Amino acid sequence: AQSVTQLDSHVSVSEGTPVLLRCNYSSSYSPSLFWYVQHPNKGLQLLLKYTSAATLVKGINGFEAEFKKSETSFHLTKPSAHMSDAAEYFCVVSDMYPGGTASKLTFGTGTRLQVTL
Amino acid sequence: EAQVTQNPRYLITVTGKKLTVTCSQNMNHEYMSWYRQDPGLGLRQIYYSMNVEVTDKGDVPEGYKVSRKEKRNFPLILESPSPNQTSLYFCASSPQSTRFNSPLHFGNGTRLTVT
Repeated sequence: AQSVTQLDSHVSVSEGTPVLLRCNYSSSYSPSLFWYVQHPNKGLQLLLKYTSAATLVKGINGFEAEFKKSETSFHLTKPSAHMSDAAEYFCVVSDMYPGGTASKLTFGTGTRLQVTL
Repeated sequence: EAQVTQNPRYLITVTGKKLTVTCSQNMNHEYMSWYRQDPGLGLRQIYYSMNVEVTDKGDVPEGYKVSRKEKRNFPLILESPSPNQTSLYFCASSPQSTRFNSPLHFGNGTRLTVT
């Protein structure tokens, strides 16, 4: 069975400093991995995805994530935080339902990023 | 504009009063899904549909029904709502149901309160 663990429920950084949001996963197969962002009162928006191509994935708004199979991790980083990055971030793993007929998405519990002046 | 539209955005109801939350997408997507979001639990899948007339249970289907009579619409029905169904609900769609190489497109959510 697949699962995803976001190691921090809340992260606070100062504007201009690096961001690190941690995600570990488990999967029976070769998974696809995603990061989604949710701003207040909005739906989720895709930041980036890993689908077995390059292990370092670049996304929107300067975010990137590195797939490390040996560590079963997919941490999200950004070199310099901006106030507009304050939001909730979800790590998501895609795996196959039993029988292989369709994919199943499993969401992490989310990390709330606070950016202070 | 490509979008997933949910209605209503906010809904307050009483225990036992049937309600429907509508979801419509204009992208001709095959796959549609409903999630509920609760603090500390992330998003949990309620039901999903891989195509018209094909629906299946997700992780938390109890107390919910869905239908997929047309490709664009995927309503969520609560026949007899209870307070433990108070939550933030999201509808999402995707072009394909396998491997999710294309992203999910989410609606803006429906905040439901059952008293």
